[in-house]
Amino acid sequence: GAGVSQSPSNKVTEKGKDVELRCDPISGHTALYWYRQSLGQGLEFLIYFQGNSAPDKSGLPSDRFSAERTGGSVSTLTIQRTQQEDSAVYLCASSHGPQGRRYNEQFFGPGTRLTVL
Amino acid sequence: AQSVTQLGSHVSVSEGALVLLRCNYSSSVPPYLFWYVQYPNQGLQLLLKYTSAATLVKGINGFEAEFKKSETSFHLTKPSAHMSDAAEYFCAVSGHRGGSQGNLIFGKGTKLSVKP
Repeated sequence: GAGVSQSPSNKVTEKGKDVELRCDPISGHTALYWYRQSLGQGLEFLIYFQGNSAPDKSGLPSDRFSAERTGGSVSTLTIQRTQQEDSAVYLCASSHGPQGRRYNEQFFGPGTRLTVL
Repeated sequence: AQSVTQLGSHVSVSEGALVLLRCNYSSSVPPYLFWYVQYPNQGLQLLLKYTSAATLVKGINGFEAEFKKSETSFHLTKPSAHMSDAAEYFCAVSGHRGGSQGNLIFGKGTKLSVKP
């Protein structure tokens, strides 16, 4: 079956421009996560959506970052007024929703490599 | 708060040799622990997980890890390295929500090289 897909695979932008990164989770997965992978910081959590609950935005590094999830499926991560330090690989993951203590594996997409010039 | 420390950003072994990648964790709740592997230009793939059942966990590709509460460790091992094991490995712990949901907190990663 189809896995998590992300687009674009690569994005080069100029400092100060806005960018939108897209994630298509696995069908039926109600949980969706965004992470950022950069050389200096490793893998960092950004935001978590679970069903219709308010998202956990505790990992967003600044108010230039926002994300939404439409219809409980596709998600878009938006970075406004990009800075060079935003250059990183942005990874999306999805999983099934809460099922007691059963762990629901997070399946990762291939990522979007963002380069801010 | 949860955190993960991976000792050694680079590990090099010969083909056929033992692989040992170290991970220590800190968690305020009983942890869920994971090892992920990332091949070049690919996403993360789950190798194995510890979710409070057996302390010795077997994963894919011949890898296993042992949860040692007294040492707060979850080291990854493989008896005999293959060239195809060359990749970056990440240890992770479940985040502040704890348990079965919520974000993962990752270590900095260990890049494994395998020499012929």
